[in-house]
Amino acid sequence: DTGVSQDPRHKITKRGQNVTFRCDPISEHNRLYWYRQTLGQGPEFLTYFQNEAQLEKSRLLSDRFSAERPKGSFSTLEIQRTEQGDSAMYLCASSSRYSGANVLTFGAGSRLTVL
Amino acid sequence: DAKTTQPNSMESNEEEPVHLPCNHSTISGTDYIHWYRQLPSQGPEYVIHGLTSNVNNRMASLAIAEDRKSSTLILHRATLRDAAVYYCILRDRGGATNKLIFGTGTLLAVQP
Repeated sequence: DTGVSQDPRHKITKRGQNVTFRCDPISEHNRLYWYRQTLGQGPEFLTYFQNEAQLEKSRLLSDRFSAERPKGSFSTLEIQRTEQGDSAMYLCASSSRYSGANVLTFGAGSRLTVL
Repeated sequence: DAKTTQPNSMESNEEEPVHLPCNHSTISGTDYIHWYRQLPSQGPEYVIHGLTSNVNNRMASLAIAEDRKSSTLILHRATLRDAAVYYCILRDRGGATNKLIFGTGTLLAVQP
């Protein structure tokens, strides 16, 4: 069990560029979540996958954001035409269908800075 | 989702017990009480959860009021490594969604 891995850990980009983050969940976990966290705030839910199906999306996930989990394993979060307001930590978490309490395991996050 | 209320910050001395309170007056019968913490520059990590009875694990204890409208996370002997933001979260056991809704949490400072 290597935990939840996120890549890259840090990304600096210019406004208007596209960025993509990758999340590798714990291998046997079928549930995957993306959250966004800005300074001084708690994580905000963005989207949820069960296997490859995206079952819930927050209103925070504008049309510039897209998330995929093509084979029910790793996931990607893409932000198109980045804006300075997109600067945040993007957190991925996973959990197991067998966890009755649905305990989430989080990755260390990908920090995005938009100049 | 039902909401929780926590103090913005608390301070403790090293090797002393810490009691972190959480109010959740609108809790429903199907809500679990979860606690997570977030160390600096890391993602949140699970601490403990409970439904009605008090719970203990290697990290902490969770004391739940009889009416379930409040709970307290207890760190028995705080260490410098326990300095973190602690989040109290309600999760609907019977809900269709499995997401956790985080508030702003309690920032715990531990003094040597």
